[in-house]
Amino acid sequence: DTGVSQDPRHKITKRGQNVTFRCDPISEHNRLYWYRQTLGQGPEFLTYFQNEAQLEKSRLLSDRFSAERPKGSFSTLEIQRTEQGDSAMYLCASSLQGQPQHFGDGTRLSIL
Amino acid sequence: QKEVEQDPGPLSVPEGAIVSLNCTYSNSAFQYFMWYRQYSRKGPELLMYTYSSGNKEDGRFTAQVDKSSKYISLFIRDSQPSDSATYLCAMKDTNAGKSTFGDGTTLTVKP
Repeated sequence: DTGVSQDPRHKITKRGQNVTFRCDPISEHNRLYWYRQTLGQGPEFLTYFQNEAQLEKSRLLSDRFSAERPKGSFSTLEIQRTEQGDSAMYLCASSLQGQPQHFGDGTRLSIL
Repeated sequence: QKEVEQDPGPLSVPEGAIVSLNCTYSNSAFQYFMWYRQYSRKGPELLMYTYSSGNKEDGRFTAQVDKSSKYISLFIRDSQPSDSATYLCAMKDTNAGKSTFGDGTTLTVKP
């Protein structure tokens, strides 16, 4: 069990640029989740997949955000035309259905 | 009002103290209750996972759920400086994929 892996750990970009983050879940887990966390707040749900199907999206996930899990293994989260308010920690988690979620160490996004 | 409320602290205790952390919630559909520990610049680490009401013990940690009061607690016995972190409660209902988190309580255990 190598845990949930996220890449990169830190991304600095200019406002208006596109960014993409990757998450590799625990290998046998069929569910994968994306959350966003800002300083002093708990993680806020963005979206989740069961295998390759995206089953739920939060209204926080504007049309600038898109997530994929093409083969039911790793997932990517893309943010287009980044804004200052997108600065946050983006957390990925995985689980088996009905089991608790295990988190990676996140990608910290800083918008200049 | 948030679905899950958690006192942000900060909470400071001497080494060896018993720590009590609490959350209240409003959604009666929540059936699964979790506690996570988060160190600075790290992801949340699962500590305890309970279903419905009752107590669960794991080493120095005890989780309690009182669904009638919509109140959950985490107790840490013999606290250590390495327990210094932010503690997040989380909960979900049976049919949901997502978990709903509190905003965390920051704990410092002083040697």
